[in-house]
Amino acid sequence: QVHLVESGGGVVQPGGSLRLSCAASGFAFSNFGMHWVRQPPGRGLEWVAFIRHDGSITFYADSLKGRFTISRDNSKSTLYLQMTSLRVEDTAVYYCAKDLDFVDYMDVWGTGTTVTVSS
Amino acid sequence: SYVLTQPPSVSVAPGQTARITCGGDNIGTKSVHWFQQKPGQAPVLVVCNDSDRPSGIPERFSGSNSGNTATLTISRVEAGDEADYYCQVWDSRSDQGVFGGGTKLTVL
Repeated sequence: QVHLVESGGGVVQPGGSLRLSCAASGFAFSNFGMHWVRQPPGRGLEWVAFIRHDGSITFYADSLKGRFTISRDNSKSTLYLQMTSLRVEDTAVYYCAKDLDFVDYMDVWGTGTTVTVSS
Repeated sequence: SYVLTQPPSVSVAPGQTARITCGGDNIGTKSVHWFQQKPGQAPVLVVCNDSDRPSGIPERFSGSNSGNTATLTISRVEAGDEADYYCQVWDSRSDQGVFGGGTKLTVL
């Protein structure tokens, strides 16, 4: 059974940093691309980033302007999102999602981890 | 950047058919995917590649895509279908994922 579990969320001050993790199980993690998607409170879904199965290609939302970095450790079946220079507007639930292959579609989602940026 | 436009809300009586649209420039040339999200839960894929249904999704859920509009159709709507629905595409010009703003389906 495919399972994705995010962790690392919490409360951080503006300008701070945080690293999210997504532990994968039940499938061959190293064979699939992965996404991060976020959802601010009471608002819609926003795509954040994608990484190819081998980590060689990454894509990001323009709005992030280089503040976020997606990475993965296939030996640990874990996806990461390093977030820096955090802003109040980065407050959201962050989901990781498995791609069918390479920017096809997100077929399995984690349950999300909450990031709150507040002073 | 590419923009997807959805109506904020759609209401339908039980047993009727709900149609949720997703507008975008020449969206018919892209593959459209639809997600259902119930309160406090993660999104669930209900239609992929315009009209395919993932395993476990009822046949009542179907999709179409042509011209500037993609449509998610839910037949014989049930109370349990009440949720937010999002369309999504991959914009190959900018290499970014794009979601529509979401549509809240209310079952009367």
